[in-house]
Amino acid sequence: QSVLTQPPSASGTPGQRVTMSCSGSSSNIGSNTVNWYQQLPGTAPKVLIYNNNQRPSGVPDRFSGSKSGTSASLAISGLQSEDEADYYCTAWDDSLNGNWVFGGGTKLTVL
Amino acid sequence: EVQLVQSGAEVKKPGESLKISCKASGYSFTSNWIGWVRQMPGKGLEFMGIINPADSETRYSPSFQGQVTMSVDKSISTAHLQWGSLRASDTAIYYCARHTRSSGGWRLLDFLGQGTLVTVSS
Repeated sequence: QSVLTQPPSASGTPGQRVTMSCSGSSSNIGSNTVNWYQQLPGTAPKVLIYNNNQRPSGVPDRFSGSKSGTSASLAISGLQSEDEADYYCTAWDDSLNGNWVFGGGTKLTVL
Repeated sequence: EVQLVQSGAEVKKPGESLKISCKASGYSFTSNWIGWVRQMPGKGLEFMGIINPADSETRYSPSFQGQVTMSVDKSISTAHLQWGSLRASDTAIYYCARHTRSSGGWRLLDFLGQGTLVTVSS
């Protein structure tokens, strides 16, 4: 049971806009910023969004993040086949002397 | 260029001990904490704990407290994760990651190693 809650799956067709949610609590998302990772099959996770809505250099602006209260969301516009991957949200949790907490991940399928 | 290079895959038997490594380069090793993340087969990411290379202060996730030991060797810019007695349930990919905290307060595990696959089987 992950501390952050994500839907297990999402899907869309090429060109569509897809969103996925991440729900937490006051000690994690409510108090700290949210980061998103993309994990392509067989590879290590990579940072997709940090500080709620910032993109590292090299990440297309098709990817965007937002946060409100104790929830966050990731949006992908102009969906492409190479976006098929697992997406994880994460946030620092201020309880128990501080720790990272992750969502269970959303598997995105491009139909 | 920041890089975290992890040691190679391991195959162990239950009850055996193991120490895996994560060598950092491209930045000052003692300036950033190092975290460890587990990914069991077909499952999501789990945070295990974090260590400060400057003074070896550790913070373990409750699920991993007492199950693993994190350490560092500053002289070779390397972090380690070790088990005293492996179990089949320790079979997973283990990632090390550099922890960054900005002046603005946000935190991020910004660079991850390539992962070390640990297989525990009799």
